[in-house]
Amino acid sequence: KAGVTQTPRYLIKTRGQQVTLSCSPISGHRSVSWYQQTPGQGLQFLFEYFSETQRNKGNFPGRFSGRQFSNSRSEMNVSTLELGDSALYLCASSLASNTEAFFGQGTRLTVV
Amino acid sequence: GEDVEQSLFLSVREGDSSVINCTYTDSSSTYLYWYKQEPGAGLQLLTYIFSNMDMKQDQRLTVLLNKKDKHLSLRIADTQTGDSAIYFCAEGSGGFKTIFGAGTRLFVKA
Repeated sequence: KAGVTQTPRYLIKTRGQQVTLSCSPISGHRSVSWYQQTPGQGLQFLFEYFSETQRNKGNFPGRFSGRQFSNSRSEMNVSTLELGDSALYLCASSLASNTEAFFGQGTRLTVV
Repeated sequence: GEDVEQSLFLSVREGDSSVINCTYTDSSSTYLYWYKQEPGAGLQLLTYIFSNMDMKQDQRLTVLLNKKDKHLSLRIADTQTGDSAIYFCAEGSGGFKTIFGAGTRLFVKA
């Protein structure tokens, strides 16, 4: 079966702009989590959605938001981009919140 | 809070065994994971172990869990150049809020 699909793979934005990233989970998976990966901070949890509801949130400012649709696809939005938002954004899907997570290839965001 | 620690680098010769170690703090974690990340790629789930297990073997991979010491290790037998990557140890109770270590970069010398 198809894996987790993230689009786009690469993105370049300027400071102050906003960006929307997309994640399509494995078919049948209802939990989608987002992570930010940077060289300095490693992998940090952003938030988790399950059945269209945000269940958990990491320690990120309100500029980072997300949502999940009825087909379990999820989007993540970052507004007023800062240079420090440059990172690899990874999405993980799980059958449920307490099962193993499968990751997508990530979206590499560069803010200039 | 929860924390996962692992050494940053490991260098081995092709054909040798690699052992990557990890310590974690949250004793309530249900799963302990090993992920592999190759350059420019996302995370690939290599294997995971339930917290009530001591060992899991999957082909060339052996995971050992010492719950008392909160220590997890990944042994790769007959390491190949294709095993060169960053290996992440992680703990959690499922997909959400999985806590990752900083990753161990494995170099395999031919």
